[in-house]
Amino acid sequence: NAGVTQTPKFQVLKTGQSMTLQCAQDMNHEYMSWYRQDPGMGLRLIHYSVGAGITDQGEVPNGYNVSRSTTEDFPLRLLSAAPSQTSVYFCASSSLSWKDTQYFGPGTRLTVL
Amino acid sequence: AQTVTQSQPEMSVQEAETVTLSCTYDTSESDYYLFWYKQPPSRQMILVIRQEAYKQQNATENRFSVNFQKAAKSFSLKISDSQLGDAAMYFCAYRSADYKLSFGAGTTVTVRA
Repeated sequence: NAGVTQTPKFQVLKTGQSMTLQCAQDMNHEYMSWYRQDPGMGLRLIHYSVGAGITDQGEVPNGYNVSRSTTEDFPLRLLSAAPSQTSVYFCASSSLSWKDTQYFGPGTRLTVL
Repeated sequence: AQTVTQSQPEMSVQEAETVTLSCTYDTSESDYYLFWYKQPPSRQMILVIRQEAYKQQNATENRFSVNFQKAAKSFSLKISDSQLGDAAMYFCAYRSADYKLSFGAGTTVTVRA
């Protein structure tokens, strides 16, 4: 049972490049989400999903796309990276019991030059 | 998103002493969950303790306990008998019935030997 996995752990991009951050979970969780963590701002919700084929925007969705074709995977796409997207990104999952805690991946540190 | 406020950016505590971290939140909901997460330098998000708003009894997990004041919308974390391994950033989080988590900005705890 690996929990929530994220790849890569570190990434450097140039402005305008695109990339996909991968997230997978093996706990059969319906709910998956992406956060970004910036100094002094805590974690902010980017996008989330309550099941395969269903996604919705969070607090800071601009510049990011997501899809959920399977229960296990929830990739985050940066279409045209900008320096403002330099951050640490966390993927998390949980059951659809809102009382359940979210289980977090180890994070990806992204730098956009 | 709900607003979660952690007014103490940094706290320092002597080993074996007690430290209390404050958290307030803004909501119009009657039922919700509150969490404290620990983030050590490894960046991993670790659940410390959780509290359901309908339960009046304050949650306790070993050396960690909360003081939940629903009317005041306050949810403080007390760390007793502080250990060097408690040094980390601590985040207060609010989870509403739509599964979304809202985080505070975090409090960095330093433990002095």
